Amino acid sequence: KAGVTQTPRYLIKTRGQQVTLSCSPISGHRSVSWYQQTPGQGLQFLFEYFSETQRNKGNFPGRFSGRQFSNSRSEMNVSTLELGDSALYLCASRDFSYEQYFGPGTRLTVT
Amino acid sequence: AQKVTQAQTEISVVEKEDVTLDCVYETRDTTYYLFWYKQPPSGELVFLIRRNSFDEQNEISGRYSWNFQKSTSSFNFTITASQVVDSAVYFCALSEGNRDDKIIFGKGTRLHILP
Repeated sequence: KAGVTQTPRYLIKTRGQQVTLSCSPISGHRSVSWYQQTPGQGLQFLFEYFSETQRNKGNFPGRFSGRQFSNSRSEMNVSTLELGDSALYLCASRDFSYEQYFGPGTRLTVT
Repeated sequence: AQKVTQAQTEISVVEKEDVTLDCVYETRDTTYYLFWYKQPPSGELVFLIRRNSFDEQNEISGRYSWNFQKSTSSFNFTITASQVVDSAVYFCALSEGNRDDKIIFGKGTRLHILP
């Protein structure tokens, strides 16, 4: 079974721009969660989607949004990028068990 | 509010030594889950263990062992006879109730195993 894939792996954007990151979960997994990892704040939960519905959301501003498609693939969008949005964005998927499988992440650099 | 504290930011030990990574958590829930994840240099988080709040039995898996003590709100992780491949960042994490989807992570402990 293929693991969780995230595209792109690396991204450089300019302040004020917007960005869309993609996550393809493991086949059969319907839950997708997103996390932001920075040196200062560590790993922080962004949101979780299950069957195209957002079930839970972390404490991030409205500039961070996401969605999930019928094939369970998920995208997250960050609008009006700020320098502080530079981070590793991790996606994780799971089935009905508790174990989350993480992807390799997308490293976003905002200049 | 829930919180996970990993006081050790960075640890270095010589190969074959035992090493313990500390984790202290805070939660108001009586039902919660504790996790340990490993993040090697490649960046992907690797699941190591999940423990629910009603099961205080210690667990051993090969060279890895975990000590869960509710009385001190701690969930420590010990690597016995460490190896260079154990070098990574290790995260302790917590989720409350049945919300495995929202995991609160500690800041992580960077472990260096020196040959």
